[in-house]
Amino acid sequence: AQSVTQLGSHVSVSEGALVLLRCNYSSSVPPYLFWYVQYPNQGLQLLLKYTSAATLVKGINGFEAEFKKSETSFHLTKPSAHMSDAAEYFCAVILGSSNTGKLIFGQGTTLQVKP
Amino acid sequence: NAGVMQNPRHLVRRRGQEARLRCSPMKGHSHVYWYRQLPEEGLKFMVYLQKENIIDESGMPKERFSAEFPKEGPSILRIQQVVRGDSAAYFCASSPNGQGGTEAFFGQGTRLTVV
Repeated sequence: AQSVTQLGSHVSVSEGALVLLRCNYSSSVPPYLFWYVQYPNQGLQLLLKYTSAATLVKGINGFEAEFKKSETSFHLTKPSAHMSDAAEYFCAVILGSSNTGKLIFGQGTTLQVKP
Repeated sequence: NAGVMQNPRHLVRRRGQEARLRCSPMKGHSHVYWYRQLPEEGLKFMVYLQKENIIDESGMPKERFSAEFPKEGPSILRIQQVVRGDSAAYFCASSPNGQGGTEAFFGQGTRLTVV
């Protein structure tokens, strides 16, 4: 069963425009939720995480995400895109029933930023 | 404090050879995860280890793949008799305690090419 779904494998925005990357999860128990960024030929860097504290989570590089339980969503946003934001973004979940810290990743969304 | 170190960064093997991938976790981290990223796909969990113990290997292929994390030294992911389908990026992540809300730090990956 798919636990994390990222809508849109490719998103293209103009520099300065709003960035919105969508992520939906499926879990009967509140999960831990994460957004990671991957630059070409690099590892993953954590942008932000939700661990049942505030539902609006602020991360690095101006990104933030809002946990909406009613919509089972954790969309990533940034008010104004920068060229350096071009990368691949992964939403990931640790299921609430897990006691191992095992991450389940979405398929990823490639963000293109046009000048 | 050095990050998660993986080596080699790139590995080329002929079909039928063995591949050994190494991961040194961050200092103080005793929990290690291995993930595989196939081309155009997200990361898939393979195995979770603590020192000298395999905790969860539910993502490991049944044959040819093995992992260890000895008391001393790095964690090793071993692939015997490699096939073209093993070509992928293999990422290691480490965590201080393996708990769901704790960030896992990723290495830069080993890119395996089977020719």
